[in-house]
Amino acid sequence: QVQLQESGPGLVKPSETLSLTCTVSGGSLSGYYWSWIRQPPGKGLEWIGYIYYSGSTNYNPSLKSRVTISVDTSKNQFSLNLSSVTAADTAVYYCARGQLLFNFWGQGTLVTVSS
Amino acid sequence: EIVLTQSPGTLSLSPGERATLSCRASQSVSSSFLAWYQQKPGQAPRLLIYGASSRATGIPDRFSGSGSGTDFTLTISRLEPEDFAVYYCQQYGSSPPKTFGQGTKVEIK
Repeated sequence: QVQLQESGPGLVKPSETLSLTCTVSGGSLSGYYWSWIRQPPGKGLEWIGYIYYSGSTNYNPSLKSRVTISVDTSKNQFSLNLSSVTAADTAVYYCARGQLLFNFWGQGTLVTVSS
Repeated sequence: EIVLTQSPGTLSLSPGERATLSCRASQSVSSSFLAWYQQKPGQAPRLLIYGASSRATGIPDRFSGSGSGTDFTLTISRLEPEDFAVYYCQQYGSSPPKTFGQGTKVEIK
């Protein structure tokens, strides 16, 4: 059974860059798309973007100018960088397997943007 | 961008009752690329339905999906205690972004 685990700082200062890593176990990154999705406290879900194991990416147009997703197949990890964060970026960030549908998810990690 | 509107916002029902949740799209969802997810407090969402009506692996048959075009429905035939949760629809037929509805909370009456 594939398992995903997010890791990274839980607190980021405004204007800085949010950086998270998702470690995949129980399976390989190869052959699959991998996504980041976020959920502000008490609100709905927002797809951030995905990366194919080979490195091709696609991002939500609303975040595209600030988002970079990368992959490290040697570590079975993929990562999210979100630059110039504001309080509006405070959310639980999930990593998930899939390009269109998301059938395996990490447990999520809360990132708070605050000085 | 396709906007998904779910109704009602909250559904108050008793165990054993039937739940009917609606998801309406601002424009037609191509090829019925519409999914439903269940989310319980403190947990990640779980895929229930894809392709508007196909159950994901391991999902009980009391969950069913229907609809096409702009109107979709998730039905839970008889609510079990573990079904009280928030349900989200998601469209994945258009170019990015893959959008989600705002959710329907099914709570115990």
